Amino acid sequence: NAGVMQNPRHLVRRRGQEARLRCSPMKGHSHVYWYRQLPEEGLKFMVYLQKENIIDESGMPKERFSAEFPKEGPSILRIQQVVRGDSAAYFCASSKQGAAYEQYFGPGTRLTVT
Amino acid sequence: DQQVKQNSPSLSVQEGRISILNCDYTNSMFDYFLWYKKYPAEGPTFLISISSIKDKNEDGRFTVFLNKSAKHLSLHIVPSQPGDSAVYFCAASGTYKYIFGTGTRLKVLA
Repeated sequence: NAGVMQNPRHLVRRRGQEARLRCSPMKGHSHVYWYRQLPEEGLKFMVYLQKENIIDESGMPKERFSAEFPKEGPSILRIQQVVRGDSAAYFCASSKQGAAYEQYFGPGTRLTVT
Repeated sequence: DQQVKQNSPSLSVQEGRISILNCDYTNSMFDYFLWYKKYPAEGPTFLISISSIKDKNEDGRFTVFLNKSAKHLSLHIVPSQPGDSAVYFCAASGTYKYIFGTGTRLKVLA
């Protein structure tokens, strides 16, 4: 009865490198959400995806960030040319359906940019 | 513009007493509210939810109250236990997008 899986749990990147964060939703869930938590702040919505579709990416920075949820395999959040301000905890959540359904969160990936 | 606010960053309660965590929101379009609990280095864990058609939902030691006219919800934990010590986030949704508060750190003293 695996929950939402995220890997890696910790990721260290130098400025200018790329970061790839992976998320496997709970079994039976086809809706994936990415959130970012900066220190001392709540979680901020970034993007909502269903299989092969981006439904809402309004919370994602316009540049350097992209997300996908292919037909096969995990959802990927990709950050190109990372900067120090990208250092944060990135959480993925999944739900069985969309609106008004509980979202179940993974353990997060803590990204540190040096 | 913080649409969901948790004005108390921290709360200490004696074991066995009631813990009351508060949350205010500004957007009247929100119709679904949730509470999550978070331990350090872990993802948030869903606790309890309430839709706007109700004013109360209870699950064991946890009860959530919703006051739509005041745009206020609260989470009651009774009796509080040391294992309840964590950061609690409220979240509000009008669609699929959750808007989270900044969290309240609850410490239950043995």
